Amino acid sequence: KQEVTQIPAALSVPEGENLVLNCSFTDSAIYNLQWFRQDPGKGLTSLLLIQSSQREQTSGRLNASLDKSSGRSTLYIAASQPGDSATYLCAVYGGATNKLIFGTGTLLAVQP
Amino acid sequence: EAQVTQNPRYLITVTGKKLTVTCSQNMNHEYMSWYRQDPGLGLRQIYYSMNVEVTDKGDVPEGYKVSRKEKRNFPLILESPSPNQTSLYFCASSPKSGTGGWGQYFGPGTRLTVT
Repeated sequence: KQEVTQIPAALSVPEGENLVLNCSFTDSAIYNLQWFRQDPGKGLTSLLLIQSSQREQTSGRLNASLDKSSGRSTLYIAASQPGDSATYLCAVYGGATNKLIFGTGTLLAVQP
Repeated sequence: EAQVTQNPRYLITVTGKKLTVTCSQNMNHEYMSWYRQDPGLGLRQIYYSMNVEVTDKGDVPEGYKVSRKEKRNFPLILESPSPNQTSLYFCASSPKSGTGGWGQYFGPGTRLTVT
Protein backbone atom coordinates (compact mmCIF):
# COMPACT_ATOMS: atom_id res chain seq x y z
CA LYS A 1 0.00 0.00 0.00
CA GLN A 2 1.39 3.35 -1.05
CA GLU A 3 2.31 5.70 1.77
CA VAL A 4 3.49 9.27 1.32
CA THR A 5 5.45 11.08 4.01
CA GLN A 6 6.43 14.71 4.16
CA ILE A 7 9.20 16.09 6.31
CA PRO A 8 9.29 18.42 8.09
CA ALA A 9 5.70 18.77 9.25
CA ALA A 10 6.27 22.45 9.91
CA LEU A 11 8.97 24.92 8.97
CA SER A 12 9.58 28.56 9.82
CA VAL A 13 12.19 30.56 7.93
CA PRO A 14 13.13 34.22 7.56
CA GLU A 15 12.26 35.97 4.33
CA GLY A 16 14.81 35.55 1.56
CA GLU A 17 16.01 32.12 2.60
CA ASN A 18 16.16 29.22 0.15
CA LEU A 19 14.42 26.12 1.45
CA VAL A 20 13.73 22.49 0.62
CA LEU A 21 10.62 20.48 1.37
CA ASN A 22 10.84 16.71 1.27
CA CYS A 23 8.39 14.05 0.14
CA SER A 24 8.97 10.29 0.20
CA PHE A 25 6.79 7.46 -1.05
CA THR A 26 6.99 3.73 -0.48
CA ASP A 27 5.95 2.33 -3.88
CA SER A 28 8.05 3.54 -6.80
CA ALA A 29 5.47 2.38 -9.38
CA ILE A 30 3.98 5.83 -9.83
CA TYR A 31 2.88 7.63 -12.97
CA ASN A 32 3.39 11.14 -11.70
CA LEU A 33 3.92 13.27 -8.64
CA GLN A 34 2.20 16.58 -8.04
CA TRP A 35 3.03 19.38 -5.61
CA PHE A 36 0.17 21.52 -4.32
CA ARG A 37 -0.15 24.61 -2.20
CA GLN A 38 -3.06 25.05 0.20
CA ASP A 39 -3.84 28.28 2.00
CA PRO A 40 -5.80 28.00 5.28
CA GLY A 41 -9.37 26.86 4.65
CA LYS A 42 -8.88 27.13 0.91
CA GLY A 43 -8.58 24.83 -2.06
CA LEU A 44 -5.53 23.20 -3.58
CA THR A 45 -3.44 25.03 -6.15
CA SER A 46 -1.29 22.83 -8.34
CA LEU A 47 2.31 24.04 -8.39
CA LEU A 48 4.22 21.44 -10.36
CA LEU A 49 3.56 18.10 -12.00
CA ILE A 50 6.44 15.69 -12.61
CA GLN A 51 5.78 12.70 -14.80
CA SER A 52 7.52 9.44 -13.90
CA SER A 53 9.91 9.77 -16.85
CA GLN A 54 11.05 13.23 -15.76
CA ARG A 55 13.66 14.20 -13.21
CA GLU A 56 12.57 17.73 -12.44
CA GLN A 57 10.24 20.60 -13.24
CA THR A 58 10.66 24.31 -12.71
CA SER A 59 8.20 27.16 -12.39
CA GLY A 60 9.52 30.57 -11.39
CA ARG A 61 11.17 30.27 -7.97
CA LEU A 62 10.03 26.68 -7.58
CA ASN A 63 11.92 23.59 -8.61
CA ALA A 64 10.74 20.07 -7.97
CA SER A 65 12.84 16.96 -8.44
CA LEU A 66 11.86 13.32 -8.60
CA ASP A 67 13.97 10.25 -7.88
CA LYS A 68 11.56 7.43 -8.49
CA SER A 69 13.98 4.65 -7.66
CA SER A 70 14.60 5.98 -4.17
CA GLY A 71 11.00 7.10 -3.67
CA ARG A 72 11.82 10.75 -3.09
CA SER A 73 10.86 14.18 -4.31
CA THR A 74 11.99 17.59 -3.18
CA LEU A 75 10.44 21.00 -3.65
CA TYR A 76 12.99 23.79 -3.68
CA ILE A 77 11.77 27.33 -3.06
CA ALA A 78 14.26 30.08 -3.84
CA ALA A 79 14.31 33.46 -2.14
CA SER A 80 11.26 32.76 0.02
CA GLN A 81 8.65 35.48 0.59
CA PRO A 82 5.93 35.92 3.22
CA GLY A 83 3.39 35.19 0.49
CA ASP A 84 4.82 31.69 0.22
CA SER A 85 3.41 30.89 3.66
CA ALA A 86 0.99 27.98 3.22
CA THR A 87 0.74 24.23 3.54
CA TYR A 88 2.54 22.33 0.81
CA LEU A 89 1.25 18.92 -0.16
CA CYS A 90 2.78 16.30 -2.39
CA ALA A 91 0.68 13.60 -3.98
CA VAL A 92 1.55 10.59 -6.08
CA TYR A 93 -0.63 9.05 -8.76
CA GLY A 94 -0.51 5.34 -9.47
CA GLY A 95 -2.78 4.42 -12.33
CA ALA A 96 -3.88 1.12 -10.85
CA THR A 97 -5.58 2.91 -8.00
CA ASN A 98 -7.00 5.80 -10.03
CA LYS A 99 -6.38 8.22 -7.22
CA LEU A 100 -3.88 10.63 -5.80
CA ILE A 101 -2.30 9.55 -2.54
CA PHE A 102 -1.46 12.60 -0.49
CA GLY A 103 1.14 13.28 2.11
CA THR A 104 0.05 15.11 5.26
CA GLY A 105 1.82 18.28 4.24
CA THR A 106 4.45 20.74 5.38
CA LEU A 107 3.21 23.94 7.00
CA LEU A 108 5.54 26.71 5.90
CA ALA A 109 5.78 30.11 7.60
CA VAL A 110 8.03 32.74 6.05
CA GLN A 111 8.74 35.52 8.53
CA PRO A 112 9.11 39.09 7.19
CA GLU B 1 -11.66 30.34 -17.59
CA ALA B 2 -10.90 26.66 -17.04
CA GLN B 3 -12.13 25.68 -13.63
CA VAL B 4 -13.79 23.25 -11.27
CA THR B 5 -16.69 24.74 -9.35
CA GLN B 6 -18.41 23.43 -6.25
CA ASN B 7 -21.62 24.48 -4.57
CA PRO B 8 -22.34 25.29 -1.88
CA ARG B 9 -19.03 26.48 -0.46
CA TYR B 10 -20.27 26.30 3.10
CA LEU B 11 -23.11 24.23 4.52
CA ILE B 12 -24.40 23.60 8.02
CA THR B 13 -27.04 20.92 8.27
CA VAL B 14 -28.60 18.50 10.73
CA THR B 15 -28.23 14.77 11.05
CA GLY B 16 -30.34 12.82 8.59
CA LYS B 17 -31.27 15.64 6.21
CA LYS B 18 -30.33 14.62 2.68
CA LEU B 19 -28.00 16.95 0.84
CA THR B 20 -26.18 17.23 -2.46
CA VAL B 21 -22.90 18.99 -3.16
CA THR B 22 -22.54 19.83 -6.82
CA CYS B 23 -19.32 19.74 -8.82
CA SER B 24 -18.90 20.96 -12.36
CA GLN B 25 -15.90 21.31 -14.66
CA ASN B 26 -15.69 23.15 -17.99
CA MET B 27 -12.57 21.43 -19.36
CA ASN B 28 -14.22 18.37 -20.93
CA HIS B 29 -12.30 16.16 -18.52
CA GLU B 30 -13.09 12.45 -18.42
CA TYR B 31 -11.92 11.75 -14.88
CA MET B 32 -13.55 13.28 -11.81
CA SER B 33 -13.15 12.51 -8.15
CA TRP B 34 -14.26 13.50 -4.66
CA TYR B 35 -11.95 13.81 -1.66
CA ARG B 36 -12.47 14.72 1.93
CA GLN B 37 -9.88 16.41 4.10
CA ASP B 38 -9.74 15.92 7.85
CA PRO B 39 -7.14 17.12 10.38
CA GLY B 40 -4.50 14.50 10.97
CA LEU B 41 -5.88 12.24 8.23
CA GLY B 42 -5.07 14.33 5.18
CA LEU B 43 -6.99 14.00 1.93
CA ARG B 44 -8.76 10.75 1.20
CA GLN B 45 -10.65 9.73 -1.91
CA ILE B 46 -14.38 9.07 -1.56
CA TYR B 47 -15.49 8.15 -5.11
CA TYR B 48 -14.18 8.60 -8.59
CA SER B 49 -15.52 8.45 -12.13
CA MET B 50 -13.54 7.55 -15.21
CA ASN B 51 -16.24 8.70 -17.60
CA VAL B 52 -19.99 9.16 -17.98
CA GLU B 53 -21.92 6.40 -16.19
CA VAL B 54 -18.68 4.89 -14.83
CA THR B 55 -18.10 5.37 -11.11
CA ASP B 56 -16.20 3.46 -8.44
CA LYS B 57 -15.47 3.58 -4.75
CA GLY B 58 -12.42 5.21 -3.28
CA ASP B 59 -11.04 4.70 0.21
CA VAL B 60 -13.93 6.10 2.26
CA PRO B 61 -17.20 5.64 0.32
CA GLU B 62 -19.48 4.74 3.22
CA GLY B 63 -22.39 7.15 3.60
CA TYR B 64 -21.91 8.76 0.18
CA LYS B 65 -23.37 8.32 -3.30
CA VAL B 66 -22.36 9.80 -6.62
CA SER B 67 -23.65 9.87 -10.16
CA ARG B 68 -22.14 10.85 -13.49
CA LYS B 69 -24.91 11.42 -16.00
CA GLU B 70 -23.10 14.17 -17.86
CA LYS B 71 -19.40 14.60 -18.47
CA ARG B 72 -19.18 17.99 -16.77
CA ASN B 73 -21.06 17.19 -13.53
CA PHE B 74 -20.26 14.86 -10.66
CA PRO B 75 -22.53 15.50 -7.66
CA LEU B 76 -21.84 14.06 -4.21
CA ILE B 77 -24.93 12.92 -2.36
CA LEU B 78 -25.24 12.36 1.37
CA GLU B 79 -28.51 10.50 1.86
CA SER B 80 -28.48 10.67 5.67
CA PRO B 81 -25.61 12.84 6.88
CA SER B 82 -24.03 12.15 10.23
CA PRO B 83 -21.65 14.24 12.36
CA ASN B 84 -18.65 12.12 11.30
CA GLN B 85 -19.16 13.46 7.78
CA THR B 86 -18.27 16.95 8.97
CA SER B 87 -15.29 17.74 6.78
CA LEU B 88 -13.81 19.80 3.98
CA TYR B 89 -14.74 18.28 0.62
CA PHE B 90 -12.92 18.71 -2.67
CA CYS B 91 -13.91 17.80 -6.17
CA ALA B 92 -11.15 17.24 -8.72
CA SER B 93 -10.92 16.52 -12.42
CA SER B 94 -8.30 15.36 -14.89
CA PRO B 95 -8.29 14.94 -18.69
CA LYS B 96 -8.00 11.17 -18.32
CA SER B 97 -7.05 8.57 -15.78
CA GLY B 98 -4.54 5.90 -16.57
CA THR B 99 -0.98 6.78 -17.49
CA GLY B 100 -1.15 9.92 -15.44
CA GLY B 101 0.46 12.34 -17.82
CA TRP B 102 -2.04 14.89 -16.63
CA GLY B 103 -2.38 16.56 -13.28
CA GLN B 104 -5.57 16.92 -11.33
CA TYR B 105 -7.43 20.20 -10.99
CA PHE B 106 -9.20 20.89 -7.72
CA GLY B 107 -12.30 22.86 -6.90
CA PRO B 108 -12.34 25.46 -4.10
CA GLY B 109 -13.78 23.10 -1.50
CA THR B 110 -17.04 22.76 0.42
CA ARG B 111 -16.95 23.00 4.18
CA LEU B 112 -19.72 20.82 5.58
CA THR B 113 -20.82 20.78 9.19
CA VAL B 114 -23.36 18.19 10.34
CA THR B 115 -24.86 18.79 13.79
